[in-house]
Amino acid sequence: KQEVTQIPAALSVPEGENLVLNCSFTDSAIYNLQWFRQDPGKGLTSLLLIQSSQREQTSGRLNASLDKSSGRSTLYIAASQPGDSATYLCAVVAAGNKLTFGGGTRVLVKP
Amino acid sequence: GAVVSQHPSWVICKSGTSVKIECRSLDFQATTMFWYRQFPKQSLMLMATSNEGSKATYEQGVEKDKFLINHASLTLSTLTVTSAHPEDSSFYICSARSGGSHTGELFFGEGSRLTVL
Repeated sequence: KQEVTQIPAALSVPEGENLVLNCSFTDSAIYNLQWFRQDPGKGLTSLLLIQSSQREQTSGRLNASLDKSSGRSTLYIAASQPGDSATYLCAVVAAGNKLTFGGGTRVLVKP
Repeated sequence: GAVVSQHPSWVICKSGTSVKIECRSLDFQATTMFWYRQFPKQSLMLMATSNEGSKATYEQGVEKDKFLINHASLTLSTLTVTSAHPEDSSFYICSARSGGSHTGELFFGEGSRLTVL
């Protein structure tokens, strides 16, 4: 059974610092991995999608890497801003077309 | 990105009544949609996979007679919580995948908060 873990569970940084969010998964036989952002009481916003054949994806200040063999992905957010405060979730798609979520990392960027 | 719309965004109902939540993919067709449940400060829990034109696939522990799913078209899936009770109060979120069955990007609705009195 696929298990996805996100560390740390919560993170607080001053504005301007870079954020590093970690995601690990137990079964490396995945089709892709996706990072999401969730604001309180809201749905999920897709940030980055990395296919299993890719090593990383970039979008603006966001960069996500994927090391499938070691079961890890890292989301980097450069020059954090207070508006980046949210919960960040990673999820993997594996056999059976099922999406398995990590527990999320709650991020607070202090002005 | 693609848009998935959920309605209603919040609903309050009396115990024993049924509530229907709609999930629509607005600018793409989705043969598969997913329904999740989220408790406060917890991650999403997959309830069922909704397949257009066929029966939904429920996760272990999810009562199919309580959570009725209908996927009548390529752009609409509905979740009906039948005979709702206070323990059914939760945040329900749907998602749909654009593109390929395994590789397509997932897009989520804004969620529907259900409160059962």
